[in-house]
Amino acid sequence: QQQVKQSPQSLIVQKGGISIINCAYENTAFDYFPWYQQFPGKGPALLIAIRPDVSEKKEGRFTISFNKSAKQFSLHIMDSQPGDSATYFCAASISGTYKYIFGTGTRLKVLA
Amino acid sequence: DADVTQTPRNRITKTGKRIMLECSQTKGHDRMYWYRQDPGLGLRLIYYSFDVKDINKGEISDGYSVSRQAQAKFSLSLESAIPNQTALYFCATGEGAGRYNEQFFGPGTRLTVL
Repeated sequence: QQQVKQSPQSLIVQKGGISIINCAYENTAFDYFPWYQQFPGKGPALLIAIRPDVSEKKEGRFTISFNKSAKQFSLHIMDSQPGDSATYFCAASISGTYKYIFGTGTRLKVLA
Repeated sequence: DADVTQTPRNRITKTGKRIMLECSQTKGHDRMYWYRQDPGLGLRLIYYSFDVKDINKGEISDGYSVSRQAQAKFSLSLESAIPNQTALYFCATGEGAGRYNEQFFGPGTRLTVL
């Protein structure tokens, strides 16, 4: 119940394409869903986050789509660029606990 | 960023040795966390602390211990290192008003246990 399942494990996209990473959860108590981006040799950093009172959140080329009934959420990277090549982690949290459950990560490579 | 620092950045040790990984932060955050990252397993929480007197076990605390020496310092110890503790270790701090929390990660320590 505490798991967050993330797919795919790796993804290769052409420059300008759309990258899509999916996550699913079981625990309906989760109410905060951040995405973290990690470049090689660095720690993860917050990219974008959503709460379940909205179905979509967009920040620049990055969009989270959230489907509460299906207990799924996804990250879409529009117009993917080589500089987006990184590992992406979804996560879920129960508000007030200040802890995350992370997904297993997706290694994205954007070809120039 | 230098806001969360980890030492050492790389460490090779032998089975049975005791080692300590250190984390310092200048962000002024009360919440601090230790994670390990393994390929295909993502980030898993080892221990967390919400203030100097508060220490809590995470998902995978067996074989690890921690010490919160000050608001700014949170150390992770492996009492008797074993090869399956070979991993990338991250310290993080947490901040957020109200009920939500952004976490800020250090650069990581790559630990190899031979």
